[in-house]
Amino acid sequence: GENVEQHPSTLSVQEGDSAVIKCTYSDSASNYFPWYKQELGKRPQLIIDIRSNVGEKKDQRIAVTLNKTAKHFSLHITETQPEDSAVYFCASEATNKLIFGTGTLLAVQP
Amino acid sequence: DTAVSQTPKYLVTQMGNDKSIKCEQNLGHDTMYWYKQDSKKFLKIMFSYNNKELIINETVPNRFSPKSPDKAHLNLHINSLELGDSAVYFCASSQDLGGQETQYFGPGTRLLVL
Repeated sequence: GENVEQHPSTLSVQEGDSAVIKCTYSDSASNYFPWYKQELGKRPQLIIDIRSNVGEKKDQRIAVTLNKTAKHFSLHITETQPEDSAVYFCASEATNKLIFGTGTLLAVQP
Repeated sequence: DTAVSQTPKYLVTQMGNDKSIKCEQNLGHDTMYWYKQDSKKFLKIMFSYNNKELIINETVPNRFSPKSPDKAHLNLHINSLELGDSAVYFCASSQDLGGQETQYFGPGTRLLVL
């Protein structure tokens, strides 16, 4: 069935460093890949998304890349700040729903 | 004027009880969802409704019964609660049906079954 693998499960970086989270999806028909951020005790919120007609999208310090051939997509956060600490979920489009990855707990050490 | 709201925020109850969680969205969206987030933070879809019609039922035990009285509301009733039902339940909504729609989540309901 449809599946999204996400790595790493935890990631600790120093403030100012970059963080990269990677996902692999199984459904070759997927064309939409959003990323959600969930702060501790809060709701997941969309931070960036990418569609299959582009290979990269950037929004200030965050960027997402997509390799449709390899069925990989990644989230890149540059110049990390303590407020970036959260759980990040990738997701891929399936029929009438999103399939979420297992989440990455990012800790940014001041 | 919260976009997606849920009540209650916390729910502590005994095994075997029946409980309900309510969700409302004021975004004018047509589609609503229920997700379960377990202790490992996995986000798993349970149900989706589009214009009050059930679209997705992801092999959820029939102790869970969703109900959508109108497209702005999606409630979840759980019968005979079990320990394994302890989790955070998120409601979400999107403009329309489809996997390419941005989903807006409610604040979550933290259910603890003792």
